[in-house]
Amino acid sequence: GAVVSQHPSWVICKSGTSVKIECRSLDFQATTMFWYRQFPKQSLMLMATSNEGSKATYEQGVEKDKFLINHASLTLSTLTVTSAHPEDSSFYICSAYRGGNSPLHFGNGTRLTVT
Amino acid sequence: AQTVTQSQPEMSVQEAETVTLSCTYDTSENNYYLFWYKQPPSRQMILVIRQEAYKQQNATENRFSVNFQKAAKSFSLKISDSQLGDTAMYFCAFMSYSGNTGKLIFGQGTTLQVKP
Repeated sequence: GAVVSQHPSWVICKSGTSVKIECRSLDFQATTMFWYRQFPKQSLMLMATSNEGSKATYEQGVEKDKFLINHASLTLSTLTVTSAHPEDSSFYICSAYRGGNSPLHFGNGTRLTVT
Repeated sequence: AQTVTQSQPEMSVQEAETVTLSCTYDTSENNYYLFWYKQPPSRQMILVIRQEAYKQQNATENRFSVNFQKAAKSFSLKISDSQLGDTAMYFCAFMSYSGNTGKLIFGQGTTLQVKP
């Protein structure tokens, strides 16, 4: 089955630094990738939609300068949390979509802790 | 705008028994997909079952089945012969056909505890 690899699975960084999270579709080309944020025992909150070669579309309330998304190829999207603060600590999940009636495939998520 | 509502934050069931998780949604569209995802403690999102709105027949995957009531905009998940491994958070989700965007709208989630 389709596999999406998300890396790293967990990361600890200091306040003020930036951290990059990668999302790769390993065996298919993803027309679209999505980035979500999830707080404990809550639902997935869509942050942005990423299409290869174009600017990401951010959901209302998500700071695009804070959460930089790059979708350089049909198999790779990255989320960079810039100038991280403790309130950015969360679980981030990506998903990849290859179009049509195919289902979304999710990465395993990244637990970010900002100290 | 579409919305998905799961009104049961937490549920529990005894092992081997049956449990039903509720989901309602709101949309003005006629063609769409509905999904149930499972998120165990590992936090991996696992697709449990999918239903196309144009299909009248309820989807079934082994012990998991849905009761899709299009007119009522209801999409409940029934888990039969519950197993300890079914303990997880379950999310109902909606995807529009329009534009093939792949954008999922999730409900709030229901935490299911299967007790031995």
